[in-house]
Amino acid sequence: KNQVEQSPQSLIILEGKNCTLQCNYTVSPFSNLRWYKQDTGRGPVSLTIMTFSENTKSNGRYTATLDADTKQSSLHITASQLSDSASYICVVSYNTNAGKSTFGDGTTLTVKP
Amino acid sequence: KAGVTQTPRYLIKTRGQQVTLSCSPISGHRSVSWYQQTPGQGLQFLFEYFSETQRNKGNFPGRFSGRQFSNSRSEMNVSTLELGDSALYLCASSDGSSGNTIYFGEGSWLTVV
Repeated sequence: KNQVEQSPQSLIILEGKNCTLQCNYTVSPFSNLRWYKQDTGRGPVSLTIMTFSENTKSNGRYTATLDADTKQSSLHITASQLSDSASYICVVSYNTNAGKSTFGDGTTLTVKP
Repeated sequence: KAGVTQTPRYLIKTRGQQVTLSCSPISGHRSVSWYQQTPGQGLQFLFEYFSETQRNKGNFPGRFSGRQFSNSRSEMNVSTLELGDSALYLCASSDGSSGNTIYFGEGSWLTVV
């Protein structure tokens, strides 16, 4: 069964600190892995997308890594800001069709001043 | 380039009624997918349409239906509403190509009373 597990479920950090969110998946065959940021009450916004051959992808202070052998991905946030408070969702696809994607339950990040 | 537009943004319905939600995808995108997100829950895939044809469907009862028009705009309908249908309904569009990014709208908040 295709599954995506994210950890931790929630995380609280102080402004300016770094943090790393984890995503483990059992989706097969693998097509791509995406990280989304979802502010409360808003739609998710794409942060990064990685295919099998990509090990790392950056988007500003966000850096995603992918280890296709161990089926693990991480999202590293550098120098956190209050606006980083959101839910971060890992999505793994085994097909280009939108319906062939498995969503993680997300990690809720709270950045405190 | 306009993003994914969903209407209405908020609505309240009574148990037993039906509701229709609308989604206008990004210009040129032919894939439209729908998701349900309940408080504290992850995104649950409802269905995906591509060029007016439903090509993927999630595990939701038949009360949930959708369609896509020739201009790629999509609607989803929920009949005989239940209290448990209260959720944020998100629409997303993509161009359907390999490695594509899925762009989400802001969602429609449905409250069933």
